[in-house]
Amino acid sequence: QKEVEQNSGPLSVPEGAIASLNCTYSDRGSQSFFWYRQYSGKSPELIMFIYSNGDKEDGRFTAQLNKASQYVSLLIRDSQPSDSATYLCAVIGGQGAQKLVFGQGTRLTINP
Amino acid sequence: GAVVSQHPSRVICKSGTSVKIECRSLDFQATTMFWYRQFPKKSLMLMATSNEGSKATYEQGVEKDKFLINHASLTLSTLTVTSAHPEDSSFYICSALGGYNEQFFGPGTRLTVL
Repeated sequence: QKEVEQNSGPLSVPEGAIASLNCTYSDRGSQSFFWYRQYSGKSPELIMFIYSNGDKEDGRFTAQLNKASQYVSLLIRDSQPSDSATYLCAVIGGQGAQKLVFGQGTRLTINP
Repeated sequence: GAVVSQHPSRVICKSGTSVKIECRSLDFQATTMFWYRQFPKKSLMLMATSNEGSKATYEQGVEKDKFLINHASLTLSTLTVTSAHPEDSSFYICSALGGYNEQFFGPGTRLTVL
């Protein structure tokens, strides 16, 4: 079982709709959870991070964390074609770890 | 977010030469930086963790004598690919660790070894 799992997609969403990206992780001691966006040929860009159970909103983005289910998600409201990218879920484990463990990424396409 | 720069953005070199890549945190001090490589359509692969003033910690399978890392100051880490060969051609990306354990990535360096 991979430590961080994402559906590789591609996920297609019509413009203006809500895109929902999901991620599960295996280390129950994980403390910190991150979502990155990576455009083709570019480096990852931090969208948001979440530490506590529940929702965290930042503009059109909402991260959701459920530690009991070991599940983290990212919702993108009012999807735009410019949101088309690969979205990487990353997790930091417990015990003072600093290294990010990445999922394989979900390729998202927003259709005009 | 914090700004991390990398230089050069692209380099083409002959087989057997050494290439140095610089990673700088421009608006904050980073005691810890990370070096990744990424092949086309693949996920990021962590190569090493670079700590200011101490030796880098390499991931399993990464040759420390081939990929030399120096973190000489709180804003600069360098990766030197020694005696580069075509199989070292890749996208090299650094990141700097922020106060919430988030990583801010540089724009990457595309290395092509002929």
